[in-house]
Amino acid sequence: DQQVKQNSPSLSVQEGRISILNCDYTNSMFDYFLWYKKYPAEGPTFLISISSIKDKNEDGRFTVFLNKSAKHLSLHIVPSQPGDSAVYFCAARAKSYGSGNTGKLIFGQGTTLQVKP
Amino acid sequence: NAGVTQTPKFRILKIGQSMTLQCAQDMNHNYMYWYRQDPGMGLKLIYYSVGAGITDKGEVPNGYNVSRSTTEDFPLRLELAAPSQTSVYFCASSYSAGGTYGYTFGSGTRLTVV
Repeated sequence: DQQVKQNSPSLSVQEGRISILNCDYTNSMFDYFLWYKKYPAEGPTFLISISSIKDKNEDGRFTVFLNKSAKHLSLHIVPSQPGDSAVYFCAARAKSYGSGNTGKLIFGQGTTLQVKP
Repeated sequence: NAGVTQTPKFRILKIGQSMTLQCAQDMNHNYMYWYRQDPGMGLKLIYYSVGAGITDKGEVPNGYNVSRSTTEDFPLRLELAAPSQTSVYFCASSYSAGGTYGYTFGSGTRLTVV
């Protein structure tokens, strides 16, 4: 069972417009949600995270929104640039109890963003 | 500042061969992870470590082994390679157990088993 899902395999956006990438999750026991960006032949790069106690986090052109009742998060990129063209993964960290967090992340399948000049 | 270094970048193995994928980090992170990524799929956790001397299984550990004798190094061992282990392997480390600051990933090892 896929606990973290990115239902859109791809998204195409014009340069300067907003890109919205979506992610759904099924487990209420996640305490952090993260977005990563990946270029071909490179490892994923951390973009932004949000704690489950917040509903919005912003970092420059990137904003992540968390809707806990809908178990949904989204990444907004404004304005989109051609250099943003990459695969974007959302990920979730399970809460740990007792001896401390292991930091294990569960990843979605990824969404390929193409920003056209 | 090298971050997370993985070697080799590419490797072709024959069925039944064994190899070790190397991973080293220079950030003094306690947490380290091995993931694999199959085409069109997300990353799946193979093994992880919360500190030197401590390792545990992730979601897909069968056919793999790890050790963590130092904070810096976290090698992944493949025994008796099978075609199902054809994948891209990523090593990662974390200061914050994957929370606020996420992971730092290496550039990956592309492995083909024929």
